[in-house]
Amino acid sequence: GENVEQHPSTLSVQEGDSAVIKCTYSDSASNYFPWYKQELGKRPQLIIDIRSNVGEKKDQRIAVTLNKTAKHFSLHITETQPEDSAVYFCAARGGYNKLIFGAGTRLAVHP
Amino acid sequence: DTGVSQDPRHKITKRGQNVTFRCDPISEHNRLYWYRQTLGQGPEFLTYFQNEAQLEKSRLLSDRFSAERPKGSFSTLEIQRTEQGDSAMYLCASSTGDGYTFGSGTRLTVV
Repeated sequence: GENVEQHPSTLSVQEGDSAVIKCTYSDSASNYFPWYKQELGKRPQLIIDIRSNVGEKKDQRIAVTLNKTAKHFSLHITETQPEDSAVYFCAARGGYNKLIFGAGTRLAVHP
Repeated sequence: DTGVSQDPRHKITKRGQNVTFRCDPISEHNRLYWYRQTLGQGPEFLTYFQNEAQLEKSRLLSDRFSAERPKGSFSTLEIQRTEQGDSAMYLCASSTGDGYTFGSGTRLTVV
């Protein structure tokens, strides 16, 4: 079945350090991989996405890389700030355009 | 139109009662999704509508759950004979293609 695994489940970094979150997916037909940020008590919000025809995408301090052969994709946040603290979810598109989400990574950025 | 709206924001119900949630998607979005999110987990897919047609239902969706999207606009999710295990955040999302826009969710507590 369709499955997305996400690691680590928690990540603690010092302000200014980089943070990396990794995901693997099972459905080789998946072609779209978004990342969502969810702050406490709020809705998940799309922060960056990548399609299977590219290997890397960058938006300011956030970048995503995709290895289709290995079915891995990763989120990289550079120069982390306290406001980056949140739960981050990766997802992969499955059948009928539905997104299959990972279990989430709780990122804490300490000043 | 400021986004995806969900009503109510919170619902406390006694075990065995029926509850109904409403989702108003972004008006030009033809795709509507329902997800369930429990504490510390990623959103789990429940069901998907394209316009008024319900095209996919998760195996998670027991016979006690039913969803409708009459006229392809708003959607309702009904849970009959609620159980304590139904306690969760119920998220609605809409899209026209790749990325979802989520609503703020309805938090259900079954006591």
